[in-house]
Amino acid sequence: QSVLTQPPSVSAAPGQKVTISCSGSSSNIGNNYVSWYQQLPGTAPKLLIYENNKRPSGIPDRFSGSKSGTSATLGITGLQTGDEADYYCGTWDSSLSAPYVFGTGTKVTVL
Amino acid sequence: QVQLQESGPGLVKPSQTLSLTCTVSGGSISSGGYYWSWIRQHPGKGLEWIGYIYYSGSTYYNPSLKSRVTISVDTSKNQFSLKLSSVTAADTAVYYCARASLHFDYWGQGTLVTVSS
Repeated sequence: QSVLTQPPSVSAAPGQKVTISCSGSSSNIGNNYVSWYQQLPGTAPKLLIYENNKRPSGIPDRFSGSKSGTSATLGITGLQTGDEADYYCGTWDSSLSAPYVFGTGTKVTVL
Repeated sequence: QVQLQESGPGLVKPSQTLSLTCTVSGGSISSGGYYWSWIRQHPGKGLEWIGYIYYSGSTYYNPSLKSRVTISVDTSKNQFSLKLSSVTAADTAVYYCARASLHFDYWGQGTLVTVSS
């Protein structure tokens, strides 16, 4: 089971904002950069945010990331139907668990 | 633009060895700086990191799979491979290859491997 905890689902109407939390520990989030991945239905995950708050080229600024202590947050503003997907946080871990750990995943639903 | 493509059998019998290859284009594995990784996703479930290999051949595996996993690299073909032995139905999943540094920036499209007799 994953060591990074996310809410199973979040939802909002088009144009609204959602936030997704990712809770970890000092062995992972507390001492490493966090990245976020978007997985649209039937496709491979795609890098959305890296190094806590940086966006790869082509990712709109509606997506933002932050980190505080042993938790991280992904924010999506101006929600669009195309944002319906599963979102995963991920980071390296220095404990005896897998060196790289993913969050449990959050399904975003646009109402 | 770096691209990764998984290939291998989509059906494996129980107790046999699952073998997949990831072909990298648009970038050289030998250039260093990246960890070439395998990740899997059980049907309807989350992502599980399997392990990685560096171009030099050094590897690191998920402790939960370590006894059954081997990842190797063929820099001449710009490929890296996954072998998972003694598979059971619990190994049925979509297997992805990906490039990692501090994060996974490029992913293959994934390949479904079903373990069934």
